[in-house]
Amino acid sequence: SQTIHQWPATLVQPVGSPLSLECTVEGTSNPNLYWYRQAAGRGLQLLFYSVGIGQISSEVPQNLSASRPQDRQFILSSKKLLLSDSGFYLCAWSPGTGGEETQYFGPGTRLLVL
Amino acid sequence: GEDVEQSLFLSVREGDSSVINCTYTDSSSTYLYWYKQEPGAGLQLLTYIFSNMDMKQDQRLTVLLNKKDKHLSLRIADTQTGDSAIYFCAVRRGGRRALTFGSGTRLQVQP
Repeated sequence: SQTIHQWPATLVQPVGSPLSLECTVEGTSNPNLYWYRQAAGRGLQLLFYSVGIGQISSEVPQNLSASRPQDRQFILSSKKLLLSDSGFYLCAWSPGTGGEETQYFGPGTRLLVL
Repeated sequence: GEDVEQSLFLSVREGDSSVINCTYTDSSSTYLYWYKQEPGAGLQLLTYIFSNMDMKQDQRLTVLLNKKDKHLSLRIADTQTGDSAIYFCAVRRGGRRALTFGSGTRLQVQP
């Protein structure tokens, strides 16, 4: 069966520091991968998605970037964190087969920027 | 652009049925989903429905879709305290990657 991991689970970082959040998927090949952010008390906003190694699409302009160095690894980064980057970051995967493409979510990383 | 709206809060008694409603604006939405989020956790897929269906039942869950009114609902029969969580409605247009989420409905089940 497929599983999706995210780490760290919680992170407290000072403003201006760099960020690296990691997401890995097991039990599937060639998945589509997604990064979402959930602000407190709100729905999810898609930040990035990837349909293959090195292929990144950005949905909203922001202070963050994403990379996919391996088929089942998706990384969210920032060179300098802002206060507004605080939130709950969720990684998701979907089968890269087209059609219905249900997205399955990881446990999330809670980021607090102080 | 797409917009998905949900009421913020619903309180029911244990054993009653819960109905969580969602409206969306994009008539091209092809896939419609319900996710559950427990405190501090990620999102768990509960069920989904295609736009060519008007109902789907899965154990205690019943999804109803009214395409004309662009209204989606999730009914939970015999609601239990373990059903207390935030429920998100999400829609996706065929051919697009992004899911558009509502802001979530917090379901509180009182014993």
